[in-house]
Amino acid sequence: NAGVTQTPKFQVLKTGQSMTLQCAQDMNHEYMSWYRQDPGMGLRLIHYSVGAGITDQGEVPNGYNVSRSTTEDFPLRLLSAAPSQTSVYFCASSWASNQPQHFGDGTRLSIL
Amino acid sequence: AQSVTQLGSHVSVSEGALVLLRCNYSSSVPPYLFWYVQYPNQGLQLLLKYTSAATLVKGINGFEAEFKKSETSFHLTKPSAHMSDAAEYFCAVIPFSGGYNKLIFGAGTRLAVHP
Repeated sequence: NAGVTQTPKFQVLKTGQSMTLQCAQDMNHEYMSWYRQDPGMGLRLIHYSVGAGITDQGEVPNGYNVSRSTTEDFPLRLLSAAPSQTSVYFCASSWASNQPQHFGDGTRLSIL
Repeated sequence: AQSVTQLGSHVSVSEGALVLLRCNYSSSVPPYLFWYVQYPNQGLQLLLKYTSAATLVKGINGFEAEFKKSETSFHLTKPSAHMSDAAEYFCAVIPFSGGYNKLIFGAGTRLAVHP
């Protein structure tokens, strides 16, 4: 049982480049989220989805896009990478709105 | 807006000593409360959760937390620290606001355990 799988694990980009962080879960969870983790700030919500075809913004959505075409996948797109987006990104899923979230192992992203 | 405060960004204890990690939330209505642990280069793992069934919640690896409504606190404890407990710990809440479960995290407390 893989749980939540994130790819890639590490990535280095140049300013202005675009890329997609992949997230897939095999638990048939309706709820999925993307967070970024920065030192001393905990995790902050970027975007979330309550089901296929339904997404919404979190606390820090600027510079990121998401889509949810299937229950399993929830990719995060960086449109034009900036150094301020250097961070560790986590994807999470849960089966209900008030239940604990299951996290992937993260993607460590550096923007030069 | 709901917020979570973790007192102490770094806590250091001796092996075998009591572990106490503090968490306070701001809400007039008790939210859902969680403690997560993050080991180096890994994702977050659920330690325990409070969902109003009992004020003392037992979790994995010998950890427990007590919900105190009057103090709006949910402190994490373990009677005897082990070297393997060294990690970063996050307190998080889901406020009773309806709709999606926007999990709100504290800034985290890094626990060091020394021999």
